[in-house]
Amino acid sequence: QLQLQESGPGLVKPSETLSLTCTVSGGSISSSSYYWGWIRQPPGKGPEWIGSIYYSGSTYYNPSLKSRVTISVDTSKNQFSLKLSSVTAADTAVYYCAREALLWVGELLGDYFDYWGLGTLVTVSS
Amino acid sequence: DIQMTQSPSSLSASVGDRVTITCRASQSISNYLNWYQQKPGKAPKLLIYAASSLQSGVPSRFSGSGSGTDFTLTISSLQPEDFATYYCQQSYSTPRTFGQGTRLEIK
Repeated sequence: QLQLQESGPGLVKPSETLSLTCTVSGGSISSSSYYWGWIRQPPGKGPEWIGSIYYSGSTYYNPSLKSRVTISVDTSKNQFSLKLSSVTAADTAVYYCAREALLWVGELLGDYFDYWGLGTLVTVSS
Repeated sequence: DIQMTQSPSSLSASVGDRVTITCRASQSISNYLNWYQQKPGKAPKLLIYAASSLQSGVPSRFSGSGSGTDFTLTISSLQPEDFATYYCQQSYSTPRTFGQGTRLEIK
């Protein structure tokens, strides 16, 4: 059974960089059928996709966050990571990592998040 | 960005009821539409992908339909464990976007 687990500080000061790691177990991060994504959810609000990475290192980001986001992958550790710089209180949220399955039926017909971590609350406060 | 609008925002229903939740995209997304269920303090759980494909392990009382801009999630006979918040999400373009959610409550 695939499992994802987020880890990192639960409290970050304003203007500093939020850093989280997602460890994947029960499967390889190097599969050609998946991207690996970060999604956040502010308290009481809907989810917001941050960005995703392929095992090769190819990334795509939410344009609203792109200038502050870096997602990287370490296939030797079966992990991928998120860095979000210059954080403010608006970045306070539960951060989830998730597997993004690619739907291939002759051609790519979309994708979906089929496995999620438990989530970790990150609070931005001095 | 493609905006996803769900209706209603909240809904009260009873065990055994048939419930339909609607999701509308701000532009055509073909069938690149997924549905998730979220319970308090838990991660979202995938129910339906590609508008109408049931994720493995999800009960058959859940079904999805639609194409283009208008989509529906139907629960044929509500069970106690179905009371939760439901989100739609498009995978047609970047950024991936979610609806604001529909909270399904016990009447």
